[in-house]
Amino acid sequence: GESVGLHLPTLSVQEGDNSIINCAYSNSASDYFIWYKQESGKGPQFIIDIRSNMDKRQGQRVTVLLNKTVKHLSLQIAATQPGDSAVYFCAEIPTSGTYKYIFGTGTRLKVLA
Amino acid sequence: ETGVTQSPTHLIKTRGQQVTLRCSSQSGHNTVSWYQQALGQGPQFIFQYYREEENGRGNFPPRFSGLQFPNYSSELNVNALELDDSALYLCASSTQGTGELFFGEGSRLTVL
Repeated sequence: GESVGLHLPTLSVQEGDNSIINCAYSNSASDYFIWYKQESGKGPQFIIDIRSNMDKRQGQRVTVLLNKTVKHLSLQIAATQPGDSAVYFCAEIPTSGTYKYIFGTGTRLKVLA
Repeated sequence: ETGVTQSPTHLIKTRGQQVTLRCSSQSGHNTVSWYQQALGQGPQFIFQYYREEENGRGNFPPRFSGLQFPNYSSELNVNALELDDSALYLCASSTQGTGELFFGEGSRLTVL
């Protein structure tokens, strides 16, 4: 069946270092992927997206990489800050027209001072 | 620009009861999606509404139902509540044909 999973449930990073959060997906028909950040007690917040015709997209301090060959997605956060501490989800959107998002379990990022 | 708002923020029900959760979509958005997020898990798609009709449904039983109103706001109704229905219920709005969802803060439901 469809699934989106993450390799590491918890990631601890020193403040100022770069963070890399990984995600594997199984539906090769998906053409759109999004990373969300969810802080405690809040709803998911959009970080960055990428379409399947791209392999890299950069935002402010964040970069998403897409490797369709191995069905792998990663989120890189440069110069990680305490405010980056949250749970990060990758979401996969199959080409069904309904924009049904398939979320992974999430990775908790802890930024150490 | 007004974001997605949900009510109530927290509520407690007992098994067998019914619950209605409400969502006001972000200004300019015509599509509303509902997700269930159990503790420690990612959100799971329940259903989506567009033009006041259900436009896609996830793997949830019929006791989960919804409505969308002409002003694009929406309700999620759950009948015959079960303990496993305890979760954060997220509403997200978007514009049909575009992919990005904008989530509300959620309604946390506890079923005792």
